Amino acid sequence: NAGVTQTPKFQVLKTGQSMTLQCAQDMNHNSMYWYRQDPGMGLRLIYYSASEGTTDKGEVPNGYNVSRLNKREFSLRLESAAPSQTSVYFCASSPETNTGELFFGEGSRLTVL
Amino acid sequence: AQSVTQPDIHITVSEGASLELRCNYSYGATPYLFWYVQSPGQGLQLLLKYFSGDTLVQGIKGFEAEFKRSQSSFNLRKPSVHWSDAAEYFCAVGRGLTGGGNTLTFGTGTQLKVEL
Repeated sequence: NAGVTQTPKFQVLKTGQSMTLQCAQDMNHNSMYWYRQDPGMGLRLIYYSASEGTTDKGEVPNGYNVSRLNKREFSLRLESAAPSQTSVYFCASSPETNTGELFFGEGSRLTVL
Repeated sequence: AQSVTQPDIHITVSEGASLELRCNYSYGATPYLFWYVQSPGQGLQLLLKYFSGDTLVQGIKGFEAEFKRSQSSFNLRKPSVHWSDAAEYFCAVGRGLTGGGNTLTFGTGTQLKVEL
């Protein structure tokens, strides 16, 4: 019963370093999402992929890139990490219907020093 | 653009007491509305959702929510709170995507503390 799996769960970076957060889902969902969660701000959408082969910007895309590698996998890349990107990152997926709820991973906590 | 307001940052209730968490939304069309719960260090779990039809929706763990279009509200309720309900609760409004999928806009959350 894996659902949505994110790796790594914890990461510490120095300013300017790069890294990729990996996300995979085993529910055969078409759509996938990356959110960030900051205290007092709820969850904000970074990027999403409505279907395999498409990606679109969300509310806070600056400083990030994404790749929809295949139907199962959706990665988030920080090319040059900044302290403002310290956050908890959540990957989610949803089925093809456009009224479906999102299923979330357990999160990846990133600290940028 | 859609938005969600959760006016209460923190709420404390006694175990066994009733609970109501407030949520107001702004959306131009018929909204898709959700309540999620997040326990410490965990991801978000869906409590319930509203798409259409009956304005009182039942969810898991004994929660319910009522959609009131005239008030742009979707408040979450529970008749009797258990200590295990202590968590953070998020209201969200969804925007269906033409190609499938549903981007959610979340409120800032309400932290619930339960006193024994």
